[in-house]
Amino acid sequence: GGIITQTPKFLIGQEGQKLTLKCQQNFNHDTMYWYRQDSGKGLRLIYYSITENDLQKGDLSEGYDASREKKSSFSLTVTSAQKNEMAVFLCASSMGGYTEVFFGKGTRLTVV
Amino acid sequence: AQRVTQVQSTGSSQWGEVTLDCSYETSEYSYLILWYRQLFSGEMVFLIYQPSFDTQNQRSGHYSVVFQKSFKSISLVISASQPEDSGTYFCALSELGSGYNKLTFGKGTVLLVSP
Repeated sequence: GGIITQTPKFLIGQEGQKLTLKCQQNFNHDTMYWYRQDSGKGLRLIYYSITENDLQKGDLSEGYDASREKKSSFSLTVTSAQKNEMAVFLCASSMGGYTEVFFGKGTRLTVV
Repeated sequence: AQRVTQVQSTGSSQWGEVTLDCSYETSEYSYLILWYRQLFSGEMVFLIYQPSFDTQNQRSGHYSVVFQKSFKSISLVISASQPEDSGTYFCALSELGSGYNKLTFGKGTVLLVSP
């Protein structure tokens, strides 16, 4: 088995601030993902990465940057936090294909 | 475009069998459907998946699915439900690419199992 660790669990930022969320996995999975979940809704894909140094935009990438400097870690940066961005950000990983996709426990972002 | 639809909420009594329905739209021939349960903490727990090519319904512990590919429908069945099974259940449709799974989620079904 493995685990996906997201830090921090809670992140409070000011409007306009640049904020970084971190994710580490020890599954040795090639592909990692960042999803955003707004209250009472399903998840939407922000960015994904198929391998180290690869970055692919999802449906919701505007206002975000991502970084995959090594296989086990994937970071997401909110470039300028906005009050309507309060949400839970979930990191995930998989081997791709007909396999499971596992999630971390999430980072809850609040913008004041 | 891919789309997933789930019923908003449902309930059950302890030890009952629960069926959560999910319908989806996709133009892909090959895909994967996954079910997750989201705990009250926000953690997303993987439950079970069904590949589109597999005509056999998958089972895992007290979870199973009923897959009706021609109707683009899949149900999650929870046998002998317990109050601790309460939570929000998500159906997700995976677009399969070279080395990745891009998931499209439904809005989730809130399940309440009463003692």
